[in-house]
Amino acid sequence: DIVMTQSPDSLAMSLGERATMKCKASQSVLHSSNNKNALAWYQQRPGQPPKLLIYWASTRDSGVPDRFSGSGSGTDFTLTISSLQAEDVAVYYCQQYYTTPRITFGPGTKVEI
Amino acid sequence: EVQLLESGGGLVQPGGSLRLSCAASGFRFSSYAMRWVRQAPEKGLEWVSGISSRGDFTDYADSVKGRFTIARDNSKNTLYLHMNSLRLDDTAIYFCANGPNWVDYWGQGTLVTVSS
Repeated sequence: DIVMTQSPDSLAMSLGERATMKCKASQSVLHSSNNKNALAWYQQRPGQPPKLLIYWASTRDSGVPDRFSGSGSGTDFTLTISSLQAEDVAVYYCQQYYTTPRITFGPGTKVEI
Repeated sequence: EVQLLESGGGLVQPGGSLRLSCAASGFRFSSYAMRWVRQAPEKGLEWVSGISSRGDFTDYADSVKGRFTIARDNSKNTLYLHMNSLRLDDTAIYFCANGPNWVDYWGQGTLVTVSS
């Protein structure tokens, strides 16, 4: 199984600041067939199910604010929130689907203000 | 509007059984692979099981293989998870989720508590 790790465990930020978090896969999740990375990001607010933010490592889901952006390739990925808002307080998870249906999630990064 | 509504959770003793259900609406259920994902209290997300759109292919996490069975009834737009030989570490919120790759939609989850 592909093991996902995330760093840092938590981020303490101020409103309006730029937040950056990392996700690393134990092996490459780059599909040679379409040259796309099988990597998604989710936001989970307290008491809520996760919400899809980004798929194919950098494609924002419909309705996701453009302050959220994803980047990276192969084994190393980054989620950036360009200007932190109060509603962005949440835990952020990365997920690989290279080995779908066997998907795996990272342990999460908690963003606090 | 897509809706996934889980039910069937509750308190069960170690070694016991439960059947979870997920009623789907707002999309063509029979065209989508589905999966169960769980989250232990204050922990991260763990994929449990997945099933193809027609139900002819299933897969399980090693932690539940041989104890859990995933199934679907496309005529009823419903996904199931039969859970046997439950253990303390199966305690979690169980989410129904759709999508063959990333998860587009999640249910609100149903809590399974395994305790004596």
